[in-house]
Amino acid sequence: GQNIDQPTEMTATEGAIVQINCTYQTSGFNGLFWYQQHAGEAPTFLSYNVLDGLEEKGRFSSFLSRSKGYSYLLLKELQMKDSASYLCAVRDQTGANNLFFGTGTRLTVIP
Amino acid sequence: DVKVTQSSRYLVKRTGEKVFLECVQDMDHENMFWYRQDPGLGLRLIYFSYDVKMKEKGDIPEGYSVSREKKERFSLILESASTNQTSMYLCASSPPPAGGHGYTFGSGTRLTVV
Repeated sequence: GQNIDQPTEMTATEGAIVQINCTYQTSGFNGLFWYQQHAGEAPTFLSYNVLDGLEEKGRFSSFLSRSKGYSYLLLKELQMKDSASYLCAVRDQTGANNLFFGTGTRLTVIP
Repeated sequence: DVKVTQSSRYLVKRTGEKVFLECVQDMDHENMFWYRQDPGLGLRLIYFSYDVKMKEKGDIPEGYSVSREKKERFSLILESASTNQTSMYLCASSPPPAGGHGYTFGSGTRLTVV
């Protein structure tokens, strides 16, 4: 089976940096995804990691350590529009290569 | 851009009604998925399909069925709607899993069963 844990809620200040952690347990790891979901909208793809290390994409970066079953999403220069839920998802080979989602972290950016 | 379109944004149905939720994607993706999303429970997989006329149960298939008669269309059917099926329903599609191809989601259907 799969188990994915991430904090339920976080608050950060506009202009600051925030790190959202995700830990996972899965039998057939085959990639980790981060999605952003604004309230009432569909999740949208942010990042993908399959090898250890940091992937940077503008203000957003994602890190993976497969040996630790750990990932984080780093958001720099926070903007008010970054207030959203952030979903960590793991692709599992033993689970028909489907994505399994964590419950999401609701980030609130305050002025 | 890949588009996944769900036919209704909001839907209100009565207990016992048969409910159809439609999803269409325009990028010739093989894989399609139906999830429901509830506060505190995240996204839970109901059914998925890897090909026309093919379907597989996800984690919570009870009370639901699906139909995939054409590659671009994946329908979710609530045989007899119940109040515990009030939820946000999200459809997604993807090419065969490889590399960084994740899912593309539709805008969701918020279903209320009264």
